[in-house]
Amino acid sequence: EVQLVESGGGLVQPGGSLRLSCEASGFTFSSYWISWVRQAPGKGLEWVANIKQDGSEKYYVDSVKGRFTISRDNAKNSLYLQMNSLRAEDTAVYYCARDGLAGIDYWGHGTLVTVSS
Amino acid sequence: DLVMTQSPLSLPVTLGQPASISCRSSQSLVHSDGNTYLNWFQQRPGQSPRRLIYKVSKRDSGVPDRFSGSGSGTDFTLTISRVEAEDVGVYYCMQGTHWPYSFGQGTKLEIK
Repeated sequence: EVQLVESGGGLVQPGGSLRLSCEASGFTFSSYWISWVRQAPGKGLEWVANIKQDGSEKYYVDSVKGRFTISRDNAKNSLYLQMNSLRAEDTAVYYCARDGLAGIDYWGHGTLVTVSS
Repeated sequence: DLVMTQSPLSLPVTLGQPASISCRSSQSLVHSDGNTYLNWFQQRPGQSPRRLIYKVSKRDSGVPDRFSGSGSGTDFTLTISRVEAEDVGVYYCMQGTHWPYSFGQGTKLEIK
């Protein structure tokens, strides 16, 4: 069974940093692109970033470029999102999602990031 | 960036009746590899999204056959042939053809 478990969310002040993690199981992690997708409270879904199987390619939505960094450790079946210079508008549930051959297929349960003073 | 526009945003439906959601993209979703990466997701209250349809019309494993997808180019539709109570939630289209990926605003389906 494909499982994606996010962790690392919490309350952080504007301008602060946070590192999210996603641990994968039930599939060959190193064979897939993986994405981060976020959902602000009561709002829709926004794709944030994704990373190629070997980490050689990374893509970001414009609103997080230069502030967020996606990375992975295939030996640990883990994905990360380093978030710096956080803003109130970054407040959201952050989902880790597998990028299958036909796009995003499986999602984790998400971790809540709240940016507030 | 490419914009995905869903309609309606709110969809009250009587149990057993059909329902349709439209999704339009600001540019063609046909990839250079010939595929069209248009997916549909269901998000039930308090849950993570679940994929229902991929590449316009292919149903994911375990998805009831009352769900179907159609369309091409820039216009796509998700149809539920007979709505059941468990279908309540928000439905999103998503394109994976162009960077960055993008979602529609979501359509909230409720029972009348």
